[in-house]
Amino acid sequence: NAGVMQNPRHLVRRRGQEARLRCSPMKGHSHVYWYRQLPEEGLKFMVYLQKENIIDESGMPKERFSAEFPKEGPSILRIQQVVRGDSAAYFCASRGQLNTEAFFGQGTRLTVV
Amino acid sequence: DQQVKQNSPSLSVQEGRISILNCDYTNSMFDYFLWYKKYPAEGPTFLISISSIKDKNEDGRFTVFLNKSAKHLSLHIVPSQPGDSAVYFCAADTNTGNQFYFGTGTSLTVIP
Repeated sequence: NAGVMQNPRHLVRRRGQEARLRCSPMKGHSHVYWYRQLPEEGLKFMVYLQKENIIDESGMPKERFSAEFPKEGPSILRIQQVVRGDSAAYFCASRGQLNTEAFFGQGTRLTVV
Repeated sequence: DQQVKQNSPSLSVQEGRISILNCDYTNSMFDYFLWYKKYPAEGPTFLISISSIKDKNEDGRFTVFLNKSAKHLSLHIVPSQPGDSAVYFCAADTNTGNQFYFGTGTSLTVIP
């Protein structure tokens, strides 16, 4: 019964590079959420996906950020042309159905240098 | 537009005493509420939840109370232990399930 798995745990990118963050939800979970935590701030919603569908991306920046949850494989959060302001902890959560708890991964700490 | 608010950024409690963490919300469509605990450099860990059809849910040392008319919930930890020292987030959800709305967190320190 593995929990939500995120990798890598730490990611360093130079400005202008691409960052790919992966999230494997808990077995049997089809709802995936991505959150971002900036230093000294709370958790900010980014995107909610189900298999092959983006349900709500109202928290995603309009440019450079994209997310997917393919039929096979992990969910991917992709950040193109990273800037220093993208440095944050990115958390993925999954749940099996609505009105139940979501379980979080350990997060990916992105540092843009 | 902060729909879930935790107005106390920090709280210190003596070991063995009760810790009470508070949370207020503004959206009357919220029907499911959760508390998470977070240690530095780790992901949030689910603690306890409550549906809007209930006003209390208890799990061991943790009890969550919901006052819908006041749009207020609280987490009680009794007795508090040093290992409870962490940041606690409350979160709320609507029946669409599109996102959890998180508060800004309360940092609890339990003093031995």
